[in-house]
Amino acid sequence: AQRVTQPEKLLSVFKGAPVELKCNYSYSGSPELFWYVQYSRQRLQLLLRHISRESIKGFTADLNKGETSFHLKKPFAQEEDSAMYYCALSPKGNYGQNFVFGPGTRLSVLP
Amino acid sequence: DTGVSQNPRHKITKRGQNVTFRCDPISEHNRLYWYRQTLGQGPEFLTYFQNEAQLEKSRLLSDRFSAERPKGSFSTLEIQRTEQGDSAMYLCASSPRLGTSPNNEQFFGPGTRLTVL
Repeated sequence: AQRVTQPEKLLSVFKGAPVELKCNYSYSGSPELFWYVQYSRQRLQLLLRHISRESIKGFTADLNKGETSFHLKKPFAQEEDSAMYYCALSPKGNYGQNFVFGPGTRLSVLP
Repeated sequence: DTGVSQNPRHKITKRGQNVTFRCDPISEHNRLYWYRQTLGQGPEFLTYFQNEAQLEKSRLLSDRFSAERPKGSFSTLEIQRTEQGDSAMYLCASSPRLGTSPNNEQFFGPGTRLTVL
């Protein structure tokens, strides 16, 4: 069965510092990986997905199949990046029937 | 508001009572999901509908839980004989029809917070 781990419950960085939110997964097949974000008092929303290879709000994430990781990175953190971040996995071709979310990491960007 | 809506937003009930939650997906979305989220955890998959068909149900889902989507639009999640362990946030999400947009993006509702006393 697939599993997603996020080793840090809380990550605090200063504004302007680089940030990396770690995500590791276990899945024997070919996965699709996502990052979802939840800002204070807002609903969960998609930040980015690995198949798009896009940068959203300055964040990027590269799927490393060898290390089974999908870490989220941003070179210069902003205070508005403070939020809860969830890494998620879906079996490729399963079209979302069985999303698995990690436990989440709370990012706090200090002024 | 054209996003996913859920009602009620909060529900407090006594142990043993039945509760029902409603989810209205984005109108053109034919895929609908229910999740449960407890404190300190990510959303946990409960069940998935494509149109009115319930295609998947988590093995973790107790027989006390049942979900319906009778006309392929809104969905209801019912919990019978609630227990204190059912206290959680219940999230609904919807996705567009396959092939109409990037696959697998789920649009979440605000959730229904259930407290079982």
